[in-house]
Amino acid sequence: GAVVSQHPSRVICKSGTSVKIECRSLDFQATTMFWYRQFPKQSLMLMATSNEGSKATYEQGVEKDKFLINHASLTLSTLTVTSAHPEDSSFYICSALGQSNANYGYTFGSGTRLTVV
Amino acid sequence: QKEVEQNSGPLSVPEGAIASLNCTYSDRGSQSFFWYRQYSGKSPELIMSIYSNGDKEDGRFTAQLNKASQYVSLLIRDSQPSDSATYLCAVNRSNYQLIWGAGTKLIIKP
Repeated sequence: GAVVSQHPSRVICKSGTSVKIECRSLDFQATTMFWYRQFPKQSLMLMATSNEGSKATYEQGVEKDKFLINHASLTLSTLTVTSAHPEDSSFYICSALGQSNANYGYTFGSGTRLTVV
Repeated sequence: QKEVEQNSGPLSVPEGAIASLNCTYSDRGSQSFFWYRQYSGKSPELIMSIYSNGDKEDGRFTAQLNKASQYVSLLIRDSQPSDSATYLCAVNRSNYQLIWGAGTKLIIKP
């Protein structure tokens, strides 16, 4: 089945630093990658959608200069949280859609727990 | 009105009983419907997908779709404590984006 590997699973960083989160599709080509953020006891919030080789489309209220998304290949997408602050602490999850996801049931990465101190 | 609505729960069900989870959606043009299960601190995992009216069964799980009434439900038979989780309903947009419900927390009591 389709597998998406997400790293790191947990990261603690100091306020003002940047953190990069990687998502790799291991056995299929991810033409579209969705990046979500989830705060405790809340549902998934879509941050942005990226298609391979194109600029990401950000949801309203999400700062594109703060959350940099790169989707340069069909198997790798990255999210960089720049100048992180404590309010950016959250659970970040990627979700990939490829031509092999015939039922469009997206494949999720395992998530990254970001804590900014 | 939210695009996808779910009762937040918690829904408490005795072990071995049937758990019934419901979801309503507002966009009549929606075509694909999904149920995901999310354990605390983990990412969602796909349980069922359904595209046409009626029932779809997979093991202990049955998804039901009624497009005229704009609701989709998930039944879990012979509920087990390991089924305790938050169940997320998702509906797709035409551009493949998923619209998520807030989730229903299900508790299976031994």
